[in-house]
Amino acid sequence: NAGVTQTPKFQVLKTGQSMTLQCAQDMNHEYMSWYRQDPGMGLRLIHYSVGAGITDQGEVPNGYNVSRSTTEDFPLRLLSAAPSQTSVYFCASSYSEFQYFGPGTRLLVL
Amino acid sequence: GEDVEQSLFLSVREGDSSVINCTYTDSSSTYLYWYKQEPGAGLQLLTYIFSNMDMKQDQRLTVLLNKKDKHLSLRIADTQTGDSAIYFCAEPNQGGKLIFGQGTELSVKP
Repeated sequence: NAGVTQTPKFQVLKTGQSMTLQCAQDMNHEYMSWYRQDPGMGLRLIHYSVGAGITDQGEVPNGYNVSRSTTEDFPLRLLSAAPSQTSVYFCASSYSEFQYFGPGTRLLVL
Repeated sequence: GEDVEQSLFLSVREGDSSVINCTYTDSSSTYLYWYKQEPGAGLQLLTYIFSNMDMKQDQRLTVLLNKKDKHLSLRIADTQTGDSAIYFCAEPNQGGKLIFGQGTELSVKP
């Protein structure tokens, strides 16, 4: 099992550009989520999904869109990147009470 | 709302014990978790404790739970340089989503 994978590992964007952060898991987990990590603030939930076709907002959803067309994939889209979205982004999937995290994507918005 | 608090930094000498503390607010949590994040990596589930337990020991790790004071601690015995990382305390909220503390950066000096 590859577990939770994320691409790219690093990305630099200019303000206003769009991009999609990819997340995939091969554990057949129904629940998937996206977090952002900022210094001194822990992890904050952006969006989550309880299964294919179902998504919902987390704590900090503004500026981000998600979709869940398959159980395996849960991409995160930035439609118009802003410097405030400079962060490290983690995708996670879970079965029962335990979450498994991907290695993260470091995003810098100039 | 739910809140999880941790101190931001802890420095110890190699061979000493480390104690990382966490306070939480939601007393209905079934599990409480400790995650470890090594530099440049994602979060790994380190250990967890059921809310009906007071203590859990796993090799060099001891988790103590004081439900009355809503206080959770992680003790690492014989701390090694490889234990240097950020440690996150987490609890699920009423909706089952994980709420993370800010993370405690453990620095182990030789």
